[in-house]
Amino acid sequence: NAGVTQTPKFQVLKTGQSMTLQCAQDMNHNSMYWYRQDPGMGLRLIYYSASEGTTDKGEVPNGYNVSRLNKREFSLRLESAAPSQTSVYFCASSEVGIGTSPYEQYFGPGTRLTVT
Amino acid sequence: AQSVAQPEDQVNVAEGNPLTVKCTYSVSGNPYLFWYVQYPNRGLQFLLKYITGDNLVKGSYGFEAEFNKSQTSFHLKKPSALVSDSALYFCAVRDLNSGNTPLVFGKGTRLSVIA
Repeated sequence: NAGVTQTPKFQVLKTGQSMTLQCAQDMNHNSMYWYRQDPGMGLRLIYYSASEGTTDKGEVPNGYNVSRLNKREFSLRLESAAPSQTSVYFCASSEVGIGTSPYEQYFGPGTRLTVT
Repeated sequence: AQSVAQPEDQVNVAEGNPLTVKCTYSVSGNPYLFWYVQYPNRGLQFLLKYITGDNLVKGSYGFEAEFNKSQTSFHLKKPSALVSDSALYFCAVRDLNSGNTPLVFGKGTRLSVIA
């Protein structure tokens, strides 16, 4: 099992350019998430998909869009990149927690994005 | 609303000494609590979780955490620190009654174990 994979690992963009970050998981998880990590800010949720066919905004969704392509894949798109979007982006997945069944999230290795 | 606080940005400890990384939480109902570790240039790795039952939870790499409901705390502990434990540690929470919502993470505590 590869777990959660992310591409690319590194990316440099100019202000105004667009790009899509790809994420895939092979654990048959229902839920997937996108976070950004900035120094002193911890992890902040951008968007999540509780199940295939649904997406919801997190804490910091502005400037981003997402697509849950199928159960395995969840992509994050920056339509017009800004320097404030320079960050490390993590994708995660988890099984659905039902009733008293909690779940842990499994994280990918991250994408380090720099916007100049 | 759910929230978690990690009051220390940095914790320094000598190798072989016990370590504690603090976490307090706020939920309206009963909490699910988690600890994750992040090594440099890596994603987060799950360490342990509290669901219900015993207040002392044992996890990976010799770590354990103590749930204290009256103090709304879930501190991470290890009896004898290793240099290899140096990393960034995150506490996370979810309210049992919040349905299928994502975990809420703290801002992280950087642990430095000095040889």
